[in-house]
Amino acid sequence: RKEVEQDPGPFNVPEGATVAFNCTYSNSASQSFFWYRQDCRKEPKLLMSVYSSGNEDGRFTAQLNRASQYISLLIRDSKLSDSATYLCVVRGNTGFQKLVFGTGTRLLVSP
Amino acid sequence: DVKVTQSSRYLVKRTGEKVFLECVQDMDHENMFWYRQDPGLGLRLIYFSYDVKMKEKGDIPEGYSVSREKKERFSLILESASTNQTSMYLCASASPGTGVGEQYFGPGTRLTVT
Repeated sequence: RKEVEQDPGPFNVPEGATVAFNCTYSNSASQSFFWYRQDCRKEPKLLMSVYSSGNEDGRFTAQLNRASQYISLLIRDSKLSDSATYLCVVRGNTGFQKLVFGTGTRLLVSP
Repeated sequence: DVKVTQSSRYLVKRTGEKVFLECVQDMDHENMFWYRQDPGLGLRLIYFSYDVKMKEKGDIPEGYSVSREKKERFSLILESASTNQTSMYLCASASPGTGVGEQYFGPGTRLTVT
């Protein structure tokens, strides 16, 4: 079983739609959680951290469910510029606490 | 503006060649990382360094080595390139502690080994 699992998509949505991605992780002792965004042929960039209480940044909302070991990302009022791959990232709890990246969920927003 | 640069965007090498990939960051970060990214496998950590001259193996270190002689520079070395090392290579840096979650990536080097 992969440490971090995501639906690869693609999720095809029209502009203005609300879309949600989930991600599950296998290590119940994981400490920190993040969403990164990767545009086509570009490097990943941190989108937002995911806190236990959930957090919101404009149109983006991230939630953590420790009991079920999943995190989610909700995008409201989708824009064409939101088209990208969204990487779910988990930080371990042992040693250096390296990051483990999911393979990503691809989002395509159409006019 | 923070910046991580990599020596080449595209590289084509022959099997058996020694390959050097260089990464430079200007953020005075202690931590630096080398990943490779392959379709369906995501980003996988090859090596990381948390200080000058310090290095630690990641998940897939076989066939690779690294060098960190200066804080701002982290090099990945393929001792004898093989076709299964054809991939996108990404370097990243981060500040220590909780900052490890916020990694800044370079633009990547797409390496093809023929």
